[in-house]
Amino acid sequence: EPEVTQTPSHQVTQMGQEVILRCVPISNHLYFYWYRQILGQKVEFLVSFYNNEISEKSEIFDDQFSVERPDGSNFTLKIRSTKLEDSAMYFCASKRTGNTDTQYFGPGTRLTVL
Amino acid sequence: SQQGEEDPQALSIQEGENATMNCSYKTSINNLQWYRQNSGRGLVHLILIRSNEREKHSGRLRVTLDTSKKSSSLLITASRAADTASYFCATVIYNQGGKLIFGQGTELSVKP
Repeated sequence: EPEVTQTPSHQVTQMGQEVILRCVPISNHLYFYWYRQILGQKVEFLVSFYNNEISEKSEIFDDQFSVERPDGSNFTLKIRSTKLEDSAMYFCASKRTGNTDTQYFGPGTRLTVL
Repeated sequence: SQQGEEDPQALSIQEGENATMNCSYKTSINNLQWYRQNSGRGLVHLILIRSNEREKHSGRLRVTLDTSKKSSSLLITASRAADTASYFCATVIYNQGGKLIFGQGTELSVKP
């Protein structure tokens, strides 16, 4: 069964460094999302992406964040200058189409900012 | 209350018992989805119920939706130790691009 994959599973970085989190959505999916979950808290929406552009972003998704679909398969989240409070689990999700379809989540990348 | 508020926050039961978790929301929704998360792991989709549906079943899972009360419940019947996990409801609101708004979750512990 197709699944969303994410790499790396765990990333440790120093404050102020740039990180790129990678996701490979399910191949025939058209809508892509990033969410994050700070330890012990609920999952929060960051950004949605469709037709090669951001369709919606939350207030968490400030100028330090960017997303890209550099080729037909990868979907990346870049944090330009990481802060301690960026430490969280980051989940990529994708769905095929429409407003009622299930979103399928990847296993997540645990980002630790020191 | 927030969109996607769940209760109880934690639930501890014996294997074989049923577990019921509730979710309430504020804004009219397109659909509501339930996810499971094992400790520190990814989110596994369990079931999606649309706003025009009242009940759905999947194996040992039963989900109800009451749009007049803006609430949903997830029932796990004949629970097993392997059902131990956190369970989240997530809503999709009309005309908001399909993003999921998650609740705080219910932490279920099933004792063997």
